[in-house]
Amino acid sequence: AQTVTQSQPEMSVQEAETVTLSCTYDTSENNYYLFWYKQPPSRQMILVIRQEAYKQQNATENRFSVNFQKAAKSFSLKISDSLLGDTAMYFCAFTPRNRDDKIIFGKGTRLHILP
Amino acid sequence: DTGVSQDPRHKITKRGQNVTFRCDPISEHNRLYWYRQTLGQGPEFLTYFQNEAQLEKSRLLSDRFSAERPKGSFSTLEIQRTEQGDSAMYLCASSLDGHRFYTEAFFGQGTRLTVV
Repeated sequence: AQTVTQSQPEMSVQEAETVTLSCTYDTSENNYYLFWYKQPPSRQMILVIRQEAYKQQNATENRFSVNFQKAAKSFSLKISDSLLGDTAMYFCAFTPRNRDDKIIFGKGTRLHILP
Repeated sequence: DTGVSQDPRHKITKRGQNVTFRCDPISEHNRLYWYRQTLGQGPEFLTYFQNEAQLEKSRLLSDRFSAERPKGSFSTLEIQRTEQGDSAMYLCASSLDGHRFYTEAFFGQGTRLTVV
């Protein structure tokens, strides 16, 4: 079975600080995609960052970066210089590369950025 | 194009009633997905269409649930004889089949169903 585990249900940090959200996953697939999605309150889910498992280099998107450890099946998200607008639910997710017909999500981490 | 749109945004229904939700994907997207998100959980896959063909259904999709995508455009999700356990956010997403390459799935704002 393919599973995604987020061990931090809720986190709070001060604005401008750096925060790291944790994620582990389990799969027997060798090629897959990993994602972090952001779901702001009452708004739709948007893709924050994507990592392809066959790429060793960690993905970065502006203030967002990941630490992808394939052997450990770990995929953490770092948000640098956090903004109030980063307040949201963050979901770690996975899809096999050869059949990207569904995304498997973790339970999410609720992140509060405090002024 | 304004993205994936879902209608209605909120639905309150009495137990035992039937409800139908609509999803309009991004116009050129040939893939359409339905997910269910309950409180405190991440979205769970329900079903998936490639054009008008329904290619996969989760075991979460009981016989009371049916989804259609006539003509490969908008999709409807119907729940018959609703139960309180059906209360959830129903999310729709769409993407363009990239064949060998991944293409991003875009999500709608969801329909929140409350069964009383």
